[in-house]
Amino acid sequence: GQQLNQSPQSMFIQEGEDVSMNCTSSSIFNTWLWYKQDPGEGPVLLIALYKAGELTSNGRLTAQFGITRKDSFLNISASIPSDVGIYFCAGRTYPGIIQGAQKLVFGQGTRLTINP
Amino acid sequence: NAGVTQTPKFQVLKTGQSMTLQCAQDMNHEYMSWYRQDPGMGLRLIHYSVGAGITDQGEVPNGYNVSRSTTEDFPLRLLSAAPSQTSVYFCASSYSFYVQDTQYFGPGTRLTVL
Repeated sequence: GQQLNQSPQSMFIQEGEDVSMNCTSSSIFNTWLWYKQDPGEGPVLLIALYKAGELTSNGRLTAQFGITRKDSFLNISASIPSDVGIYFCAGRTYPGIIQGAQKLVFGQGTRLTINP
Repeated sequence: NAGVTQTPKFQVLKTGQSMTLQCAQDMNHEYMSWYRQDPGMGLRLIHYSVGAGITDQGEVPNGYNVSRSTTEDFPLRLLSAAPSQTSVYFCASSYSFYVQDTQYFGPGTRLTVL
């Protein structure tokens, strides 16, 4: 099946540093999504990308849809303590049929830890 | 407006026991789904439903049953629990099958099978 490789698996940074993470796949996706999961909670959507080459920001977060449609990147600028959590990428394809047409494939997650 | 709720939050089962994980949403969403989250593997789709009375299998459906008798509720049943089903289970919903990117996730159920 389709797989997403997300890296790095974990990051330990100082408050105020910038963060970069990425997802790659051997498959082409039509949509890339980035989620954040806080401890004990479900994932929450941060950014959605719909077009190859698209660059979208949400506050200090910026994500890009790779031009090959096989990868995506998430950057966090000037990290703060509330950025701690697990970040997931997810890809979505449209095979063109209704049943089972849209399934999200998730990456393994990047665990972000911030030292104040 | 409670969003997506899941019960219980924690559960311990013995091998062979059965149980039902409850999921409810109050947003009148058509699309609901169940995922399991295992360390280092992201979220994997178990079953999904595009509306009341309609369900289908996801990526890892074996050992699980679902039904959707109402728009609001989408319970997940473990027929005979196995240690391999130890995981965190998330229910999610979205307005329709075609708007999956606005999925709302519940807080999760942490299940341990001994």
